[in-house]
Amino acid sequence: DAGITQSPRHKVTETGTPVTLRCHQTENHRYMYWYRQDPGHGLRLIHYSYGVKDTDKGEVSDGYSVSRSKTEDFLLTLESATSSQTSVYFCAISEVRSDQPQHFGDGTRLSIL
Amino acid sequence: GESVGLHLPTLSVQEGDNSIINCAYSNSASDYFIWYKQESGKGPQFIIDIRSNMDKRQGQRVTVLLNKTVKHLSLQIAATQPGDSAVYFCAENRGNTPLVFGKGTRLSVIA
Repeated sequence: DAGITQSPRHKVTETGTPVTLRCHQTENHRYMYWYRQDPGHGLRLIHYSYGVKDTDKGEVSDGYSVSRSKTEDFLLTLESATSSQTSVYFCAISEVRSDQPQHFGDGTRLSIL
Repeated sequence: GESVGLHLPTLSVQEGDNSIINCAYSNSASDYFIWYKQESGKGPQFIIDIRSNMDKRQGQRVTVLLNKTVKHLSLQIAATQPGDSAVYFCAENRGNTPLVFGKGTRLSVIA
């Protein structure tokens, strides 16, 4: 398995609170990604990073921010969580952007009440 | 987890039979395709990939076929086993952007 660790694995929180999810890799891959997965939508890209301090928006970036201060860590923050952000969040890594597979962590199940 | 499988098309296959899972793509410029398997409670797992200069690629018990004329991709699983039960989805490369993922198909193996 690719060395990807997501934390926490499960979280329940209340609307309006800040939430930070962490993705840690041991593969030294340049690219890191955050996705959300919801019934009927499949995997949707939130943000991705192509290097330390280099990030770009994905298809569903509103309400989310990211930071990458080290190659191995990519953080996803919900500044003020809403119930619509209840989802399963996956981190992925890849060596290049588009013509090699991404490898995924096992996800964080986030419930916002 | 289980919520991944809701609202997905389902393919039910007898154990030992071959499975064929299909995926249509829309962008004729896409030149790289991947199949993933996702088991309940886990992240997607890479199965096999294929580039547009190929029509077919084989792995262990799996074959991916690419028909660029009709923009169609299929995953064939030989001698399907109970452990193959999962959600399968394809991903495509639309130029120099991150991969785009399909919604998936649930494969259910009947023992």
